Amino acid sequence: NAGVTQTPKFQVLKTGQSMTLQCAQDMNHNSMYWYRQDPGMGLRLIYYSASEGTTDKGEVPNGYNVSRLNKREFSLRLESAAPSQTSVYFCASSESGKSYNEQFFGPGTRLTVL
Amino acid sequence: SQQGEEDPQALSIQEGENATMNCSYKTSINNLQWYRQNSGRGLVHLILIRSNEREKHSGRLRVTLDTSKKSSSLLITASRAADTASYFCATDAWGWSEYGNKLVFGAGTILRVKS
Repeated sequence: NAGVTQTPKFQVLKTGQSMTLQCAQDMNHNSMYWYRQDPGMGLRLIYYSASEGTTDKGEVPNGYNVSRLNKREFSLRLESAAPSQTSVYFCASSESGKSYNEQFFGPGTRLTVL
Repeated sequence: SQQGEEDPQALSIQEGENATMNCSYKTSINNLQWYRQNSGRGLVHLILIRSNEREKHSGRLRVTLDTSKKSSSLLITASRAADTASYFCATDAWGWSEYGNKLVFGAGTILRVKS
């Protein structure tokens, strides 16, 4: 099992460009999450999907959109990238959205916006 | 704002010593989890402690929870160079109705174990 996979691993964008970060899990999990991690800060939740067909905003959703394509895949889109979105992005999944479920993380995407 | 805050921000110890990291949080919780992050990698779950538990062990890890003080500690005994990583506590946001039961992560403690 690959667990949680993310593509790309690295990306450099210019201000105003758009891109989509891809995430897939093979653990048959219901819930999926997108976080961003900035230096000196913990992970902040951008969007989550409690189950297939549902998505909801987290703590820092502005400037992002998501799509839960199917049970396996959850993508994050930056429509018009800004330097403030330079960060490391992590996708995670869990069996359900309950807080007693551990979350499994992908390796991350390092995004730089110039 | 973050629910959990780890202390210290950074810790450097010799191999074989014990490492203790603390986490404080603001609102009532159902569960608290600890995660490890090796440099350049994603987070890996270490242990979960429920609000009705006071102590839990897993291998060389010992976690305590004091709900009256809204704090938790992670003890790594007989540390190894391979324990070098960042450690994060994560709490559910019970009572923080905006986020329901999703996890909220602290800023982490950077642990360096010197061999």
